[in-house]
Amino acid sequence: EAGVAQSPRYKIIEKRQSVAFWCNPISGHATLYWYQQILGQGPKLLIQFQNNGVVDDSQLPKDRFSAERLKGVDSTLKIQPAKLEDSAVYLCASSSSRVRTEAFFGQGTRLTVV
Amino acid sequence: RKEVEQDPGPFNVPEGATVAFNCTYSNSASQSFFWYRQDCRKEPKLLMSVYSSGNEDGRFTAQLNRASQYISLLIRDSKLSDSATYLCVVYPPDTGRRALTFGSGTRLQVQP
Repeated sequence: EAGVAQSPRYKIIEKRQSVAFWCNPISGHATLYWYQQILGQGPKLLIQFQNNGVVDDSQLPKDRFSAERLKGVDSTLKIQPAKLEDSAVYLCASSSSRVRTEAFFGQGTRLTVV
Repeated sequence: RKEVEQDPGPFNVPEGATVAFNCTYSNSASQSFFWYRQDCRKEPKLLMSVYSSGNEDGRFTAQLNRASQYISLLIRDSKLSDSATYLCVVYPPDTGRRALTFGSGTRLQVQP
């Protein structure tokens, strides 16, 4: 079974530039998450989708971050404009149900904002 | 108060030692609990679920104490390969927000 795919693996941008990350979840998984993990901290939820609808985006900085999941499959996360404090690993995860099931993570995109 | 709290460590233990981590959660109505393992510069992966009755998988034992709102992970006969960060994970109650909530992790370093 193919895992969660993310791209790119690494990205370096200057502050105020824009960047986009892509995620392809495990086939058939209805729930998709984007997490931000800053060095030394646990992953923090940015947004959760159920199919192509948003379940929770309460911690997404909506003035600069946006995410979409068209057709309930692939998802993109965008940052515009980036700030230095956005430097982190952006992890995409998927699960087959919203209830008590394991979430599978992609390898993440390591973003450095300089 | 954080939703999920862990001692960041690091816990430095010799091979063969037994080590235990605790994690506390703030919402008494939380329903599901997990331990994830994260190796350096890798993604988190499920280590084990935590059931009310406790569960064991080889050298790993997880327990839940709902009255005190904490979960624990016990590792017996530590191996060098157990060196990693262990993330405590909680599913909140059904309030419409169902995402996994992570603690900040406890770092374990097993030494030869």
